[in-house]
Amino acid sequence: TQLLEQSPQFLSIQEGENLTVYCNSSSVFSSLQWYRQEPGEGPVLLVTVVTGGEVKKLKRLTFQFGDARKDSSLHITAAQPGDTGLYLCAGLILGYSTLTFGKGTMLLVSP
Amino acid sequence: GAVVSQHPSWVICKSGTSVKIECRSLDFQATTMFWYRQFPKQSLMLMATSNEGSKATYEQGVEKDKFLINHASLTLSTLTVTSAHPEDSSFYICSARDPEGDPGFDQHFGDGTRLSIL
Repeated sequence: TQLLEQSPQFLSIQEGENLTVYCNSSSVFSSLQWYRQEPGEGPVLLVTVVTGGEVKKLKRLTFQFGDARKDSSLHITAAQPGDTGLYLCAGLILGYSTLTFGKGTMLLVSP
Repeated sequence: GAVVSQHPSWVICKSGTSVKIECRSLDFQATTMFWYRQFPKQSLMLMATSNEGSKATYEQGVEKDKFLINHASLTLSTLTVTSAHPEDSSFYICSARDPEGDPGFDQHFGDGTRLSIL
């Protein structure tokens, strides 16, 4: 059973379009992280959210944490080719000591 | 910020040989480190949790005799893939938990090791 459902798994869009990636669970998270990973490199932390209802912005990226701390979304405005990569959500589920990763979203932004 | 160094970044070797991958925390002491395996275009799969001074905790389905983990110091954990075969080829990533960090902000990832077994 996948504890953290991430969707979509693949996304191919044109430069300038907007997109949203979702992470959902039936479990409550004490914290949830979003990472971006490029081929051959380790994941790079984009943001951590810890408070239900929290919204964080990082330039064109907006991250939301659900009020119940069971879900999160990443919204990218006016995507650019440099945004191409694998986006991973991961979280610490209450009662667990290790990060749980979603399956990832492979984003391709074409010029 | 906290840095985790992983070495080597890429290794190619013949089937049957053993390969050691190192994971170092450069500016903090990590009592806990994690080893992940990642297949192309897929997410990270936790293999094991490495605890300094004690035995590693392996996830279900991971062969402990195949993937030997040693965490002999607070800044170094090693993963040895014993008698490697082509099916062991993968991208291996380590992370280290900074005990001084805030929960959710305390796990730092290495850059990964690409292992190719011929």
